[in-house]
Amino acid sequence: AQKVTQAQTEISVVEKEDVTLDCVYETRDSTYYLFWYKQPPSGELVFLIRRNSFDEQNEISGRYSWNFQKSTSSFNFTITASQVVDSAVYFCALSAAGGTSYGKLTFGQGTILTVHP
Amino acid sequence: GAGVSQSPRYKVAKRGQDVALRCDPISGHVSLFWYQQALGQGPEFLTYFQNEAQLDKSGLPSDRFFAERPEGSVSTLKIQRTQQEDSAVYLCASSLEFSFGETQYFGPGTRLLVL
Repeated sequence: AQKVTQAQTEISVVEKEDVTLDCVYETRDSTYYLFWYKQPPSGELVFLIRRNSFDEQNEISGRYSWNFQKSTSSFNFTITASQVVDSAVYFCALSAAGGTSYGKLTFGQGTILTVHP
Repeated sequence: GAGVSQSPRYKVAKRGQDVALRCDPISGHVSLFWYQQALGQGPEFLTYFQNEAQLDKSGLPSDRFFAERPEGSVSTLKIQRTQQEDSAVYLCASSLEFSFGETQYFGPGTRLLVL
């Protein structure tokens, strides 16, 4: 069975602060993909990044960066110099190759990020 | 290009009514997924299709839930005899290919409220 845990239910920061959203996952499969999605108040899940289990390189995209560590089963997301427009619910998700989980996304509970001006 | 669209965006139903939720995936996308998102929770898998074939419906909560994709494009999720616990946002997603690592692109969801 797959499981994704986002321990931070809510985070509140002031604009321009850096913020890290934690994600810990569990899977018995050696081959899997990890994702981050953003859900603004409009409700649509917006894809941010995909990472496969064989690629532990960290990635940076503008103000966003992701740290993938297989040793700790973590895939954390950092926003540098946060902005009010970053306010949303962020979800980490897992897709594994094995058995009955094939193709499905298993989501964490989400982290509500509020960035105050 | 156009993303995933869903209709209606909001639906209020009286307990016991049947409802039908529609999903238009991104053109050319082979796979289509339905998820249910309860308030304050992450989405949970309901069912998915590869073209018109429903490959997994293990997440459907009861036999009152039924999904179809007859021509491999538009999909409809039907809920019969709605109950209050069916109140949730129903999200549809599509992906280009049928692969466990494919990125799923989501629609805006249908918010269902059962009174």
